[in-house]
Amino acid sequence: EIVLTQSPGTLSLSPGERATLSCRASQSVSSSYLAWYQQRPGQAPRLLIYGASSRATGIPDRFSGSGSGTDFTLTISRLEPEDFAVYYCQQYGSSPMYTFGQGTKLEIK
Amino acid sequence: EVQLVESGGGLVQPGGSLRLSCAASGFTFSSYWMSWVRQAPGKGLEWVANIKQDGSEKYYVDSVKGRFTISRDNAKNSLYLQMNSLRAEDTAVYYCARDNRISRYYSYYYYMDVWGKGTTVTVSS
Repeated sequence: EIVLTQSPGTLSLSPGERATLSCRASQSVSSSYLAWYQQRPGQAPRLLIYGASSRATGIPDRFSGSGSGTDFTLTISRLEPEDFAVYYCQQYGSSPMYTFGQGTKLEIK
Repeated sequence: EVQLVESGGGLVQPGGSLRLSCAASGFTFSSYWMSWVRQAPGKGLEWVANIKQDGSEKYYVDSVKGRFTISRDNAKNSLYLQMNSLRAEDTAVYYCARDNRISRYYSYYYYMDVWGKGTTVTVSS
């Protein structure tokens, strides 16, 4: 089973700042199998990025994804108030078919 | 509008059963894999199970194998999760999600692009 470890656990930043979230896999993951989700309090997750770097429909271009192999990054270039949420990376594998990272909470400083 | 709406959650005693439903609209349900994902209180996301378009393939996380059964009715645009022998650790919000797979540039991409709002399952005596 591939384990995804996200860091930091909590990131405290101010609106307008740049956020860099990390997702590290215990084994190499195909970039096309790596996705990122945003979950605001009390809401369902929302797909942000798939294929490590492709933005989902309707996602603002301040969100970008990068990385390959075992190291992946989600970057938010200029934080808006609505971006403060929990972010999860996810990978498609064999057993279990999907695993998620434990999440990074992005909070207002 | 593309939409998924879950129902069927509630309070159930340990060892009991519950059947969750997910009604899909706004897209061709029969063309997509579908998944259930759960989130225990204050915890992260956990994939539970998924099912192929025609129901011929089903996969489960180890912790629910033999207890949960995923199924679908394409004529009714509906996804189901039959949960038996429920345990306290099954307490969670259960989300229905469209499990999308696309082929592009000789690669396959896997992601969940549509989510319902969830239904809450509480297992407690």
